[in-house]
Amino acid sequence: EVQVEESGGGLVQPGGSLRLSCAASGFTFSSHWMHWVRQAPGKGLVWVSRINTDGTTTNYADSVEGRFTISRDNAKNTLYLQMNSLRAEDTAVYYCVRVRQGSAGLDYWGQGTLVTVSS
Amino acid sequence: QSALTQPASVSGSPGQSITISCTGTSSDVGGYNYVSWYQQYPGKAPKLIIYDVYNRPSGVSNRFSGSKSGNTASLTISGLQAEDEADYYCDSYTSSRTWVFGGGTKLTVL
Repeated sequence: EVQVEESGGGLVQPGGSLRLSCAASGFTFSSHWMHWVRQAPGKGLVWVSRINTDGTTTNYADSVEGRFTISRDNAKNTLYLQMNSLRAEDTAVYYCVRVRQGSAGLDYWGQGTLVTVSS
Repeated sequence: QSALTQPASVSGSPGQSITISCTGTSSDVGGYNYVSWYQQYPGKAPKLIIYDVYNRPSGVSNRFSGSKSGNTASLTISGLQAEDEADYYCDSYTSSRTWVFGGGTKLTVL
């Protein structure tokens, strides 16, 4: 069974840092592009970042460029999101998402981890 | 990276068909056949229901269908059922090698 499970969320002060992890299982992790998508409380989905299969290509939303870094460890079947210089507007549930092979569809979503940026 | 435009809400009666639009630009929706649709229930993770404009993942009801014309993609749900009441989001690949989501549409089954 395909599973992706996020961890690492929590309460952090503005300007602080946090690293999210996403443990993948039930599929060949190294064969899939992966994304992070976030959703502020009561709001819509917002794309954050993506990474290719070997970690050599990454893309970011303008709102997080230069502050967030996506990475992966295929040996550990784990995706990461390093978040620095956090702002109140970064408060959201962060989802780790698998890309369906051969397409652009985001086919498996974790349950999300909540990041709250507040003093 | 402006969000794709979706109606905030749509409604329909059981058995009816409804269509949700998703409007972008030639740099996203109109430029690529990489539009997907997601269904999300309150407090739950989104679920992929349509990918690459009109393809359905296995296990998704054939009452869901997708299409695209120019810069606007559409999701049609036929034979509306009470269980279809949820939020629906579109997304698209963009020329900046990023993704963009729509603002979401709340479907109410009357």
